[in-house]
Amino acid sequence: AQSVTQPDIHITVSEGASLELRCNYSYGATPYLFWYVQSPGQGLQLLLKYFSGDTLVQGIKGFEAEFKRSQSSFNLRKPSVHWSDAAEYFCAVGARGYFGNEKLTFGTGTRLTIIP
Amino acid sequence: DVKVTQSSRYLVKRTGEKVFLECVQDMDHENMFWYRQDPGLGLRLIYFSYDVKMKEKGDIPEGYSVSREKKERFSLILESASTNQTSMYLCASTAREETQYFGPGTRLLVL
Repeated sequence: AQSVTQPDIHITVSEGASLELRCNYSYGATPYLFWYVQSPGQGLQLLLKYFSGDTLVQGIKGFEAEFKRSQSSFNLRKPSVHWSDAAEYFCAVGARGYFGNEKLTFGTGTRLTIIP
Repeated sequence: DVKVTQSSRYLVKRTGEKVFLECVQDMDHENMFWYRQDPGLGLRLIYFSYDVKMKEKGDIPEGYSVSREKKERFSLILESASTNQTSMYLCASTAREETQYFGPGTRLLVL
């Protein structure tokens, strides 16, 4: 079975600073990988996804992530954070199979706080 | 834009009540999902459905059942609500091999 680890429960970053959120996964084959963001009281919004091809993936809101097979990682980055980026971020891995990527396993999330 | 709606944003129920959470999607997606979200545990899959009247157990199905009579609607049922089912419930839908789209969530409090 697949699993996802987000080792940082809470990260605080100054506005304008760079950001990297860590995600490690466990899966026997090449996975589908996702990053979602959740603002307080809201559902999840997809930031970006990796299915195949280029291992550096660009997403919305200036985010990017890099798939590193050798490290089983899919870290999320942003060069300069904005106060509106304060939210909770979830990494997820999808199992390939008859149902494709439909079954996702989520990490426990990283809460991002932005300070002025 | 894909739209996934959930019938209630907030719900307060009493222990032992039967609770229905409704989810509707407007994109003709085959697959629909129910998750619960708890602090420190992330999202955990309760049930999913890959077609009308078809369902599969997720990781934590105990205490829950589901119904999918129409393609656009997926209901989560708590047969006899308990306090440990107090949580945020999120519905999602997807076409095959595509991204999951989430509803806004229902925050359920069981007293």
